[in-house]
Amino acid sequence: AQTVTQSQPEMSVQEAETVTLSCTYDTSENNYYLFWYKQPPSRQMILVIRQEAYKQQNATENRFSVNFQKAAKSFSLKISDSQLGDTAMYFCAFRGDGGSQGNLIFGKGTKLSVKP
Amino acid sequence: SAVISQKPSRDICQRGTSLTIQCQVDSQVTMMFWYRQQPGQSLTLIATANQGSEATYESGFVIDKFPISRPNLTFSTLTVSNMSPEDSSIYLCSGGTNSYEQYFGPGTRLTVT
Repeated sequence: AQTVTQSQPEMSVQEAETVTLSCTYDTSENNYYLFWYKQPPSRQMILVIRQEAYKQQNATENRFSVNFQKAAKSFSLKISDSQLGDTAMYFCAFRGDGGSQGNLIFGKGTKLSVKP
Repeated sequence: SAVISQKPSRDICQRGTSLTIQCQVDSQVTMMFWYRQQPGQSLTLIATANQGSEATYESGFVIDKFPISRPNLTFSTLTVSNMSPEDSSIYLCSGGTNSYEQYFGPGTRLTVT
């Protein structure tokens, strides 16, 4: 069974600085998809960034980028130039592509606080 | 992308009653799912809502407690039956068309007293 581990329950960062959130996963599948979701206090789950396992190039979306290390099964999220609006819970998620039903498997989340 | 809405956004219910949550997607999606998020916790999959057939439930969740309907490709309902305080959670609907995209509704915050 696939598992997703986020080892940092809480993190904080000063506004405008850079922070990296860690995520590791376990799977026997060769192709899969990885996601980072953001959940602010409004509780709306917002897709931040996604990565296909067969793509070697790390995904980037504006201030958000990932460091995808397939051999190490690691998928960290880097947030550059942190903004107060980045304060939220961040969930790492895995989705298989090997005949699975397509549901996401989530880590326990990291609570990020951006301080002014 | 798909926009997903849920009704109600929140409710307070008495023990022993049932609540039906509606999920509406603004475009046709292949897959729809229902998740539960207990206070301060991560998301746990309840079931996959299958169009025109019975939902597929995860371990620990049963149809009698969480009946699900999905009459078409844009709509699904989840009923929380015979509620107890342990059912107090946020219930989230999600949907997507392929492995690369899955979008979430805003959630329904349920409090059982």
